[in-house]
Amino acid sequence: QVHLVESGGGVVQPGTSLRLSCEVSGFTFSNYAVHWVRLAPGKGLEWVAIISYDGSSKYYIDSVKGRFTISRDNSKNTLFLEMIGLRAEDTALYYCTRDRCNGDPCYDFDHWGQGTLVTVSS
Amino acid sequence: SYELTQPPSVSVFPGETATITCSGDDLGDKYASWYQHKPGQSPALLIYLDNRRPPGTPERFSGSNSGNTATLTITGTQTMDEADFYCQAWDSSRHVIFGGGTKLTVL
Repeated sequence: QVHLVESGGGVVQPGTSLRLSCEVSGFTFSNYAVHWVRLAPGKGLEWVAIISYDGSSKYYIDSVKGRFTISRDNSKNTLFLEMIGLRAEDTALYYCTRDRCNGDPCYDFDHWGQGTLVTVSS
Repeated sequence: SYELTQPPSVSVFPGETATITCSGDDLGDKYASWYQHKPGQSPALLIYLDNRRPPGTPERFSGSNSGNTATLTITGTQTMDEADFYCQAWDSSRHVIFGGGTKLTVL
């Protein structure tokens, strides 16, 4: 059974950093692209970033470019999101999601974690 | 940047057909997906490639996509279907876009 478990969220001050992790199980992690998607309070889902199955390609939403870095360790079945220069508008529940397709991504999401909450507040 | 527009809310009585639209420029030239998000749960893929149901999606859920509009149809809506629904597509820049979401209320 596919599982994605996020961790690393917390309450931080504006301008500080945080590193999110997502441990996966139940499938061959190195075969799938994975994404981060967030849900801000009172708002809708927002895609944040994607990393290809081998880590060679990464894409980000414009609002986080230069501040967030997505990475993965296929030997540890773990996805990461390094966030620096956090802003109040980054406050959200961050979901780790698996791309539906094996290999090249389909850019939709068939499995989701339970999310980890990031709160940026002074 | 590419945008997808959904109605904020849709209301139906149990047993009726609910229709949720998603509009975007030439959306019919892209593939649309739909997600259902219930309170306290993670979002779940409901429809992909415009009209395909993943395992576990009931047959009462169907999708279509043509022109500028993708549509999610729930035939014989049940009270358990009450949730937020999001459409989703991706653009040529490898960016994923979600619609703003539609809150479905089953009266």
